[in-house]
Amino acid sequence: SQQGEEDPQALSIQEGENATMNCSYKTSINNLQWYRQNSGRGLVHLILIRSNEREKHSGRLRVTLDTSKKSSSLLITASRAADTASYFCATDAVGTYKYIFGTGTRLKVLA
Amino acid sequence: EPEVTQTPSHQVTQMGQEVILRCVPISNHLYFYWYRQILGQKVEFLVSFYNNEISEKSEIFDDQFSVERPDGSNFTLKIRSTKLEDSAMYFCASGNGHEQYFGPGTRLTVT
Repeated sequence: SQQGEEDPQALSIQEGENATMNCSYKTSINNLQWYRQNSGRGLVHLILIRSNEREKHSGRLRVTLDTSKKSSSLLITASRAADTASYFCATDAVGTYKYIFGTGTRLKVLA
Repeated sequence: EPEVTQTPSHQVTQMGQEVILRCVPISNHLYFYWYRQILGQKVEFLVSFYNNEISEKSEIFDDQFSVERPDGSNFTLKIRSTKLEDSAMYFCASGNGHEQYFGPGTRLTVT
């Protein structure tokens, strides 16, 4: 299957620290997206990175993509309590617009 | 900033009943999607819709499910005869190209 798998499954850090989450996938992709989900709520789009890109930044977020290793990482710098949420990567496959989501990383930022 | 909206936020229905979940995608988007997330599980792709027809669907999207764009703004998901296992959060998404923006979801509870 093509599913993305995030690790760690859960991460607990202190406010101000950086949080790194990783995602691995199995097949060739066009794009990879990262989403945030607060408990029981909707999915918030964070960043899309295309297969020909290696790194993207948005505010305190930094996403990298290594297509040779079929992996991506999401770095949140200077974390805040409000960053507490689940983070998912989602990948599409070449020739499709559907996204396959991973199981997510539950991030807890302690104040 | 434009958003995808969904109604209702929570729908409770009895097994065997029909439900219609409604979505208003972002106005200039051309691609529309439904995903679902069973409590505690991954987000799963159901169907994509483009140019007034289904472009892709998953094995979950069986004959009990249908989608429609009844007018220029709404996008609906109908479940004809609900089952207990249809209980989930249902997310609508829209986009142009590969970015997908999700609505807040409708929590469907089948009793």
